[in-house]
Amino acid sequence: GQQVMQIPQYQHVQEGEDFTTYCNSSTTLSNIQWYKQRPGGHPVFLIQLVKSGEVKKQKRLTFQFGEAKKNSSLHITATQTTDVGTYFCAGLGPMLESNYQLIWGAGTKLIIKP
Amino acid sequence: DTEVTQTPKHLVMGMTNKKSLKCEQHMGHRAMYWYKQKAKKPPELMFVYSYEKLSINESVPSRFSPECPNSSLLNLHLHALQPEDSALYLCASRPGTSGSSLLGEQFFGPGTRLTVL
Repeated sequence: GQQVMQIPQYQHVQEGEDFTTYCNSSTTLSNIQWYKQRPGGHPVFLIQLVKSGEVKKQKRLTFQFGEAKKNSSLHITATQTTDVGTYFCAGLGPMLESNYQLIWGAGTKLIIKP
Repeated sequence: DTEVTQTPKHLVMGMTNKKSLKCEQHMGHRAMYWYKQKAKKPPELMFVYSYEKLSINESVPSRFSPECPNSSLLNLHLHALQPEDSALYLCASRPGTSGSSLLGEQFFGPGTRLTVL
């Protein structure tokens, strides 16, 4: 079946350092979405990428969608304590095959070292 | 109103109990979802309702019974659960169910944290 692999599982950074998480799909995606889940919270939508090679920025966050629409990344510049949480990617497979379900990555937990 | 609400926030139940989880949204969304999330895992899809009709059931055991009484409300009835069913149960909604409306965010509720003893 369709899978989205997400790495790393955890990343420990000092406050002010950068953070990156990567997602790789076994099949071409229609779109990819990114969600953030704070500890004890629920997933909150961050952004959606649809076009091949698309890059979007939200302040210190940069999102990329690969040319083949199979991989994506989220990069946070100069992390802050408010960035702590688990970041999930979730992709929609080809429209006719996906059954309209998001395929979720396993998540990357961002931990800020004191 | 741009939120999905869920009640209760926490629920502890025995294996012989019957309980229900409730989800509500007033955004006019026509697709509603139940997810189960275990610790350190991504959300796992259980059911999808499209225009109040069950469109996807991800081989969920019959001890979980969904219901969509109207376009704003989604229930999950629980009966004879097992301790391994303890998890965070998330409800989500999205505006549409086909074509370009499949793109775009899912709005998640805060979840019900369920413990089965």
